[in-house]
Amino acid sequence: GDSVTQMEGPVTLSEEAFLTINCTYTATGYPSLFWYVQYPGEGLQLLLKATKADDKGSNKGFEATYRKETTSFHLEKGSVQVSDSAVYFCALSDPSNFGNEKLTFGTGTRLTIIP
Amino acid sequence: DSGVTQTPKHLITATGQRVTLRCSPRSGDLSVYWYQQSLDQGLQFLIQYYNGEERAKGNILERFSAQQFPDLHSELNLSSLELGDSALYFCASSVFGSSHNEQFFGPGTRLTVL
Repeated sequence: GDSVTQMEGPVTLSEEAFLTINCTYTATGYPSLFWYVQYPGEGLQLLLKATKADDKGSNKGFEATYRKETTSFHLEKGSVQVSDSAVYFCALSDPSNFGNEKLTFGTGTRLTIIP
Repeated sequence: DSGVTQTPKHLITATGQRVTLRCSPRSGDLSVYWYQQSLDQGLQFLIQYYNGEERAKGNILERFSAQQFPDLHSELNLSSLELGDSALYFCASSVFGSSHNEQFFGPGTRLTVL
């Protein structure tokens, strides 16, 4: 079945550091890939998405590129801020699961940015 | 604000009881999804409804059931509650029920079973 493997946390960085959170996936078809962010006490918000190979999703300085050859969708940001502290989830939706548009999530990575 | 609303925000109840969680999707969204977030299982898909019809089921226990009403709001019913059912329950909605469309999540209902 489909699965998402995500870099274990927690991750602690200093402000303005470079961020990478690794994500790899297993899927039978050609999935759409997503990064969601969960701030303390809130629901999940879509951060970015990519729907086909070599697509790059970007938002709020975050980027991730859909790499079919390595089945990866790593999240990067060049200079993190304290306000980026949150839990980040990598997820996929597999259109080959006809009629089932569920999201399959990774375990989440808790990111803490220190001033 | 995603536009998805969930009530109640918190729910504390005892083992063996039954509760109902409510979700109102974003205006215009036909698909509703329910997810459970727990410390040991992570985020798990429970069930999806599309325009009033059940569309897909995940790892949903037989003690749990859901429905989507003509006005598109949805309810998740949890019965014979056990301690292990304590979790955050999220509802999400999307426009067409397509895997390429993003899902918008509500703030969640935190269920505590004592």
